[in-house]
Amino acid sequence: DGGITQSPKYLFRKEGQNVTLSCEQNLNHDAMYWYRQDPGQGLRLIYYSQIVNDFQKGDIAEGYSVSREKKESFPLTVTSAQKNPTAFYLCASSTSRDINQPQHFGDGTRLSIL
Amino acid sequence: AQSVTQLGSHVSVSEGALVLLRCNYSSSVPPYLFWYVQYPNQGLQLLLKYTSAATLVKGINGFEAEFKKSETSFHLTKPSAHMSDAAEYFCAVSETGGFKTIFGAGTRLFVKA
Repeated sequence: DGGITQSPKYLFRKEGQNVTLSCEQNLNHDAMYWYRQDPGQGLRLIYYSQIVNDFQKGDIAEGYSVSREKKESFPLTVTSAQKNPTAFYLCASSTSRDINQPQHFGDGTRLSIL
Repeated sequence: AQSVTQLGSHVSVSEGALVLLRCNYSSSVPPYLFWYVQYPNQGLQLLLKYTSAATLVKGINGFEAEFKKSETSFHLTKPSAHMSDAAEYFCAVSETGGFKTIFGAGTRLFVKA
């Protein structure tokens, strides 16, 4: 079955450490997204990519970085510059050809500070 | 600018009662509207979407939503709540020509036995 795989499910970060969250999709979708979810705040867009080798900042990109070297993969790095990284991170994808199509989500990665 | 407002961060209903989750949107052009459901420690799943073909949209698990342009609303309903409906629900809007989707803050639904 096609879908989005996020790993790991749980991740712990030490002070001053960068960590990378993995997101892989086999839906052949062009667009991919990273969201941060905090209680009571809904989903906030970190970065998105409409095509390989191109990505744009979302609403809360500071302290995060991404790459899009392959269509299937869109890893997110949480850098030490992100002072409050504890959150639930969701990766999503959609076909960019049909704007009325919904986004498909992975099951998330929960990041905590040690 | 687009925005989505979900009225009520928490809604509690009894099993078998009507479920009504409210969503109002702001958009300068005809929007595409979505409702998603999220169970604990999982991603979001699509419940239904409005794409202008019909104002009353039926989704999965017995949910439906009605698009009311005059009220800029897209409320989600289900005639009879089931315990398995307990989850968090998100309303979302995307505009024609854009690739970004704006999500509401979410409404957590509690179902009492």
